[in-house]
Amino acid sequence: DAGVIQSPRHEVTEMGQEVTLRCKPISGHNSLFWYRQTMMRGLELLIYFNNNVPIDDSGMPEDRFSAKMPNASFSTLKIQPSEPRDSAVYFCASRVGGSNEKLFFGSGTQLSVL
Amino acid sequence: GENVEQHPSTLSVQEGDSAVIKCTYSDSASNYFPWYKQELGKRPQLIIDIRSNVGEKKDQRIAVTLNKTAKHFSLHITETQPEDSAVYFCAARGNGNKLVFGAGTILRVKS
Repeated sequence: DAGVIQSPRHEVTEMGQEVTLRCKPISGHNSLFWYRQTMMRGLELLIYFNNNVPIDDSGMPEDRFSAKMPNASFSTLKIQPSEPRDSAVYFCASRVGGSNEKLFFGSGTQLSVL
Repeated sequence: GENVEQHPSTLSVQEGDSAVIKCTYSDSASNYFPWYKQELGKRPQLIIDIRSNVGEKKDQRIAVTLNKTAKHFSLHITETQPEDSAVYFCAARGNGNKLVFGAGTILRVKS
């Protein structure tokens, strides 16, 4: 298995532009998580899905952020419009399911908003 | 919701010495406590985890202890090596299946 796959690895954009981050979870995993990592705030959970359904989006910073999971093998995190303070590494992670299963992270997307 | 605090924020040890990182959590219902290692520019990777029905778990040079009464858990690395240098994150999962991470500890092993 190739693990959790994220794209792009790096994204540089200008303030006000729309940004879309993509994630393919490990096959057979039915829970998917989006985290944001910054020096100041560490690893923050933005949203997570179980069986493609959003369960908790309380970590989504504001309405400019949205996430979808149209099927079991694909999820997107969209920022529109983007702002410089959105610059961070965004990680997608997945697990099999059940409360105690191991969480596997993707390689992350380094986002820079100028 | 769950809140996880991690100490110290940075730790420097001599090669061969032991390193200990401590975390406390707030939600008494939390029952799963993993530790992740993140090397520079890489993804976090699980190195060891412990569930609330055990007090200690070992895997070669790494061990984790859990005190549910005091709501704290610790990572112990013995005979540290330069390749142990990384950022280490503790985490706790409580109600709602959300994994909440500590702020991380930068471990530097000096050779």
